Amino acid sequence: GAGVSQTPSNKVTEKGKYVELRCDPISGHTALYWYRQSLGQGPEFLIYFQGTGAADDSGLPNDRFFAVRPEGSVSTLKIQRTERGDSAVYLCASSPQVREGNEQFFGPGTRLTVL
Amino acid sequence: AQKVTQAQTEISVVEKEDVTLDCVYETRDTTYYLFWYKQPPSGELVFLIRRNSFDEQNEISGRYSWNFQKSTSSFNFTITASQVVDSAVYFCALSEAGGYSTLTFGKGTMLLVSP
Repeated sequence: GAGVSQTPSNKVTEKGKYVELRCDPISGHTALYWYRQSLGQGPEFLIYFQGTGAADDSGLPNDRFFAVRPEGSVSTLKIQRTERGDSAVYLCASSPQVREGNEQFFGPGTRLTVL
Repeated sequence: AQKVTQAQTEISVVEKEDVTLDCVYETRDTTYYLFWYKQPPSGELVFLIRRNSFDEQNEISGRYSWNFQKSTSSFNFTITASQVVDSAVYFCALSEAGGYSTLTFGKGTMLLVSP
């Protein structure tokens, strides 16, 4: 079956602009995670959705970052007033259910470059 | 707070050599889960294995084996008879019980296997 998909694969924007990154999880997966991976680093947790609600947004760096998942499937990560430090690969992952220790299935990521 | 340390930044081996990737973790929980993911040049994280903290049995899957030792808080990964296709960045990750299974990753070890 289809895996996690993310669009766009690459996004170049200018400092101060607004961007939206989309994640389409594996069909039927209720848990959805966003991570950010900077160059040479491991992914860092941003936000977790269980269904439509953000159950844990403790990883969002500041209030310029926001994410939604209105119908419990596709999610959009929104970044306002982008800064050069936001440049990274944004990874989305999904998991079939809320059960501790579940493996997460990752998408290919969106590489965001802020000029 | 939980932490994962992968002290080896980069390892280079010649095909058919065995190689061990080290992972040391820190957590205050008694129940937790450990993972290894592979990130090939294409960028997509691929799940390799999950262990829970109560299962210290070593595991072997083909050329891959994992050594979990709670006494030293380590979860090392060995590739036997390495192949060029094993070249990738390997991440060790930890998730604690009772939460939302968010993953804390190490910084990764880049493995380069040359012919």
